[in-house]
Amino acid sequence: DAEITQSPRHKITETGRQVTLACHQTWNHNNMFWYRQDLGHGLRLIHYSYGVQDTNKGEVSDGYSVSRSNTEDLPLTLESAASSQTSVYFCASSRVGETQYFGPGTRLLVL
Amino acid sequence: GENVEQHPSTLSVQEGDSAVIKCTYSDSASNYFPWYKQELGKGPQLIIDIRSNVGEKKDQRIAVTLNKTAKHFSLHITETQPEDSAVYFCAASRSSSNTGKLIFGQGTTLQVKP
Repeated sequence: DAEITQSPRHKITETGRQVTLACHQTWNHNNMFWYRQDLGHGLRLIHYSYGVQDTNKGEVSDGYSVSRSNTEDLPLTLESAASSQTSVYFCASSRVGETQYFGPGTRLLVL
Repeated sequence: GENVEQHPSTLSVQEGDSAVIKCTYSDSASNYFPWYKQELGKGPQLIIDIRSNVGEKKDQRIAVTLNKTAKHFSLHITETQPEDSAVYFCAASRSSSNTGKLIFGQGTTLQVKP
């Protein structure tokens, strides 16, 4: 069955380290999104992509980057992790103009 | 900027009662309104959606209504069951463009008491 997966599911890192969170979907969706979820803020868009080689900043993109080298993957990189980036991260994908489907999430703790 | 307000933030009902969650959006060009259910430790799952050419949509115990004039849409759950307990998110977007960007409400924690 087609699906969207995230890895790792849990990650503990130290301030200043580079961290990469993986997102992989097998639906062949053009659109992929990264969100963070924090208490009191709901889901906030970090970065998104409409296809290979396309990336765009969301509302909370500072300190994060993404790259899209193929249709299936959109890794999220924290260049220098900060305690403020402790959060739960969700990846989602969709066809053009269609519903977004979410992955199971990655819980990140930055010490 | 674009904004979606969701109320209430928490809702507690007795099993069998109805639950209503309301959202208001600011972008008049929004034309796609999904609702997601998020259980503890999981990602949001789509439960129902509605497009702007429809005023109401129903799927078993779940219904969504849309008032484009008021920029308001609501989720109605009838005959609630304990397994309906979760966090519910509304969202809005302009699906006609390729943005696909969803603006989410803050979420409603629904507790259904047996």
